[in-house]
Amino acid sequence: NAGVMQNPRHLVRRRGQEARLRCSPMKGHSHVYWYRQLPEEGLKFMVYLQKENIIDESGMPKERFSAEFPKEGPSILRIQQVVRGDSAAYFCASSPRAGLDYEQYFGPGTRLTVT
Amino acid sequence: AQTVTQSQPEMSVQEAETVTLSCTYDTSESDYYLFWYKQPPSRQMILVIRQEAYKQQNATENRFSVNFQKAAKSFSLKISDSQLGDAAMYFCAYRRATSGTYKYIFGTGTRLKVLA
Repeated sequence: NAGVMQNPRHLVRRRGQEARLRCSPMKGHSHVYWYRQLPEEGLKFMVYLQKENIIDESGMPKERFSAEFPKEGPSILRIQQVVRGDSAAYFCASSPRAGLDYEQYFGPGTRLTVT
Repeated sequence: AQTVTQSQPEMSVQEAETVTLSCTYDTSESDYYLFWYKQPPSRQMILVIRQEAYKQQNATENRFSVNFQKAAKSFSLKISDSQLGDAAMYFCAYRRATSGTYKYIFGTGTRLKVLA
C-alpha cells in the first residue's frame, strides 16, 4: 500500500526558472493539501484541492504560485520565476475525504533550493 | 485566526527518562482536533498521537500520552521511557472540525535530543 509520493525529492533551480513539484496521493484519496516548511519553521498551509477544484488557496502567495489537481495524474505545485526566498521543503498530504475523521497523510517532501 | 505556540525550541532527555513537550493554542472554536507529529532527519512527517476536543479522556499511544486541558488551551505531549529513536523535531498541530477547509495549523516545533 504505497503512501503519498512526491517527486522530485530534491530540486535545484536558478533564480528566474520555474519549479514543478508533483504529488501522487495515496490510492483512493481525492483530496490533496500542500504545505511549505521554511528552514527552522513549522509547516504552513498553502492550498487545498480536490480533483479538478481548488477549495482553499488562502495560504498561496498571490503571485508566481499555482496548483492543480487534474482528473488524471498527480497534483502539481508550480512556482514561476523562483527567488531565493522560495527555498524550502514542500510537503503534500492527502486524505480520502474531507470529513471530520479523515486525517491527512504526508508525503516525504520536496526540498527546493534556489541558487 | 487560530494559532499554535510551542515555546520550547529545544529539549533534552536522558535515555529511559520521561520528557514533556508543551503546546498551547488559541481558537474560538469549540470542536477541533489536535495532533503531535514527529519529523526525524528524513523529514517525513509521522503522526504520533491525535486528540478530539470533544473527548475529555487524554489520548495515549504506547509510550506517548497527552495532557489535554481544553479550558487552558494546552496540549502537552509526554514521552515515557525515552529512546534514541525518539530524537526528532516534534510539531503540535490544530485542525478545525467544522466543514470547509481542513488545513492543519502547525507550531514552530520543538527539537528533542535524547542523550545516551
